[in-house]
Amino acid sequence: DQQVKQNSPSLSVQEGRISILNCDYTNSMFDYFLWYKKYPAEGPTFLISISSIKDKNEDGRFTVFLNKSAKHLSLHIVPSQPGDSAVYFCAASASGTYKYIFGTGTRLKVLA
Amino acid sequence: NAGVTQTPKFQVLKTGQSMTLQCAQDMNHNSMYWYRQDPGMGLRLIYYSASEGTTDKGEVPNGYNVSRLNKREFSLRLESAAPSQTSVYFCASSPQGAVGTEAFFGQGTRLTVV
Repeated sequence: DQQVKQNSPSLSVQEGRISILNCDYTNSMFDYFLWYKKYPAEGPTFLISISSIKDKNEDGRFTVFLNKSAKHLSLHIVPSQPGDSAVYFCAASASGTYKYIFGTGTRLKVLA
Repeated sequence: NAGVTQTPKFQVLKTGQSMTLQCAQDMNHNSMYWYRQDPGMGLRLIYYSASEGTTDKGEVPNGYNVSRLNKREFSLRLESAAPSQTSVYFCASSPQGAVGTEAFFGQGTRLTVV
């Protein structure tokens, strides 16, 4: 039973345009959400996070939006750059637990 | 600035062989994790250790054992490797738990079981 879902396995975007990556979750106890980026042959690296008390968090070109009622979050990258081409994972955790549950990932390709 | 270090980076095992994947972190983190990454399956949690002296099962613990040797080290053992355990394994650590902070990952161990 996949508690964190990324329904788009891949996404292609033109350089300079907006990339939108989506993530859905089923566990209403999740109250902290993260996005990671992963390049081939490397470990995942943290990108941005959001607490459930917020609905938006911004860091430079990256913005994460959280819609708690829909159990949905999204990552916006504006403008997209070729170096953003990677696999993006969303993850979630719940207070009182000590584990991160990850989604299946979305491969983003930014075309020059 | 080593962060999370995993050894080995690559390993080929025959079915039935055993091996231990090593992980060490130098960030004084309390919590440590083992994940496996498979195509189309994302990152799945195998075992985690909330703090030194404790370990708990994750989403896919069958066929694995772990040891939290001390605060720095968290090892993953395959007692009798199976082809289904062919995967890329990642160790991670976080300062304290999983809420309000991020996990830091190692570079991964690519394991092939033939």
